[in-house]
Amino acid sequence: GESVGLHLPTLSVQEGDNSIINCAYSNSASDYFIWYKQESGKGPQFIIDIRSNMDKRQGQRVTVLLNKTVKHLSLQIAATQPGDSAVYFCAENTGRRALTFGSGTRLQVQP
Amino acid sequence: DAGVIQSPRHEVTEMGQEVTLRCKPISGHNSLFWYRQTMMRGLELLIYFNNNVPIDDSGMPEDRFSAKMPNASFSTLKIQPSEPRDSAVYFCASSTGNSPLHFGNGTRLTVT
Repeated sequence: GESVGLHLPTLSVQEGDNSIINCAYSNSASDYFIWYKQESGKGPQFIIDIRSNMDKRQGQRVTVLLNKTVKHLSLQIAATQPGDSAVYFCAENTGRRALTFGSGTRLQVQP
Repeated sequence: DAGVIQSPRHEVTEMGQEVTLRCKPISGHNSLFWYRQTMMRGLELLIYFNNNVPIDDSGMPEDRFSAKMPNASFSTLKIQPSEPRDSAVYFCASSTGNSPLHFGNGTRLTVT
């Protein structure tokens, strides 16, 4: 499949551990944030989103935290599984209805 | 749900040739987006449409790039003439209202 980025920061975790992927955004006017997962050869896949009037949102095994004071977003994955191995992107809506994507973090899950 | 459908999956062409990428958005979605992904620049928005009308094409790199959406179920991205630096994966995505973007699996373009 396509290589998304040979020089991406990489997070390596053991299967079963929790993973935390971080993202800094630049536009204080952004009001909507999304995490996407991209597997090799596929398009980005929606994981979870959060609006700026919230600071935490939980899904199935995933939690997104938003700290607007420092413009920081994180994705927590509980009990990480080999199938979670992928590149993860945060994206922000800057008001244009189109998303601006971060550079991505590669998550490697060691069995 | 068939998802966003892009064709072709892979395109290899020679410099100077015209390339046309195709996208069928999810039925009922009224916004369509074209993104380009490269190792150096990541995911970049090229253009997006709302109700078949181009809203923001500021990401289109040059006049060699053009996009159309003749109806709600079809869009094309054309590069004429193509250059080696256009090599990338091109993604189409669609959405409706406040829903997240749904992406296709992309077209990998190689220009030699």
